Amino acid sequence: RKEVEQDPGPFNVPEGATVAFNCTYSNSASQSFFWYRQDCRKEPKLLMSVYSSGNEDGRFTAQLNRASQYISLLIRDSKLSDSATYLCVVLTGANNLFFGTGTRLTVIP
Amino acid sequence: NAGVTQTPKFRILKIGQSMTLQCTQDMNHNYMYWYRQDPGMGLKLIYYSVGAGITDKGEVPNGYNVSRSTTEDFPLRLELAAPSQTSVYFCASSSGTFNQPQHFGDGTRLSIL
Repeated sequence: RKEVEQDPGPFNVPEGATVAFNCTYSNSASQSFFWYRQDCRKEPKLLMSVYSSGNEDGRFTAQLNRASQYISLLIRDSKLSDSATYLCVVLTGANNLFFGTGTRLTVIP
Repeated sequence: NAGVTQTPKFRILKIGQSMTLQCTQDMNHNYMYWYRQDPGMGLKLIYYSVGAGITDKGEVPNGYNVSRSTTEDFPLRLELAAPSQTSVYFCASSSGTFNQPQHFGDGTRLSIL
């Protein structure tokens, strides 16, 4: 079983739509969680960390469900510039960092 | 502020050749990392370093070597290139432990033919 699993998509949504991605992780001892964004043929960039109580940054909301071992990313009022691949990243222990394969989002005009 | 700089951006190697991928950062970060990203796969950690003089293996270290003589530089060495090492390589750094945000370089696209 993979450490981190994501639906690869693609998710094609119209501008202004709300879209949500989930990511499941296999190790219940995992303690830190992140969402990174990667544009086509570019490097990953941190979008946001995911805190136990959930957190919001503008149009982006991240949530953690430890009981079901998944994290989610909600994007409201999608913009064309949100088109990218979203990587789920999970840290287990001090140095076991696992990247998901990413979920591709395309926002359509 | 340059951040993390990788060179070269592209390279084609023949099987059995060797090369060094360069990575330097100007943020005075202690932690540095090398990843590879294959199509349809998540980033895999090759090696990491927690400070000058200290390196450790990641998930996929075979076929690679690293050194960390200074805080700024973390080169990745391929000794005997194999087709399986065709990939995009990313160097990253962070100010502290693995749970701190990682800053990535632009990547090196490497093809082994």
